[in-house]
Amino acid sequence: KQEVTQIPAALSVPEGENLVLNCSFTDSAIYNLQWFRQDPGKGLTSLLLIQSSQREQTSGRLNASLDKSSGRSTLYIAASQPGDSATYLCAVEFKGGADGLTFGKGTHLIIQP
Amino acid sequence: DTAVSQTPKYLVTQMGNDKSIKCEQNLGHDTMYWYKQDSKKFLKIMFSYNNKELIINETVPNRFSPKSPDKAHLNLHINSLELGDSAVYFCASSQVLLSGNTEAFFGQGTRLTVV
Repeated sequence: KQEVTQIPAALSVPEGENLVLNCSFTDSAIYNLQWFRQDPGKGLTSLLLIQSSQREQTSGRLNASLDKSSGRSTLYIAASQPGDSATYLCAVEFKGGADGLTFGKGTHLIIQP
Repeated sequence: DTAVSQTPKYLVTQMGNDKSIKCEQNLGHDTMYWYKQDSKKFLKIMFSYNNKELIINETVPNRFSPKSPDKAHLNLHINSLELGDSAVYFCASSQVLLSGNTEAFFGQGTRLTVV
């Protein structure tokens, strides 16, 4: 069964810290992996997309890595700010499975001022 | 301009009613999707629609039916609404390439409450 797991489920850190969110997936046959941010009561904002042939992507203070063979991705947030507080979702487009993205349950992140 | 837009944003209705949620994308994508986010915030694919080909997640009741009047629209019709249908429904789109789908863009969601 193709599944996506995110650890930790929740994380609270002081402002300014660097932090890592983890995502693992059960099948290495993927098209891509995408990280999203969801604010309470809001929609999903795409942060980074990593194609299966890529190892990492960067956008500002965010860096996402992909290790397809081990079925893992990390989202690194540098110099965290209170505005980074949100739920971060990892989603994988598996090959040969149901169409569309398979989501993890998210990491609820709180950055303390 | 909003890339993926859905209406309404909120929908409150009684059990047994039939309702529709509309979705439009202006990205020129050829694949559109509907996802359901349950009370525990878990997102799950319901349908994908590409060039008249519909792929249905086997767990979706047949009371749910997507309808696509054209490539830019994928509306979700729900018949005989039940309390358990209460959730946030997200529309999304992406472009299918030989190498795999590109970045998926999501609408802002429709919060459906069945009373």
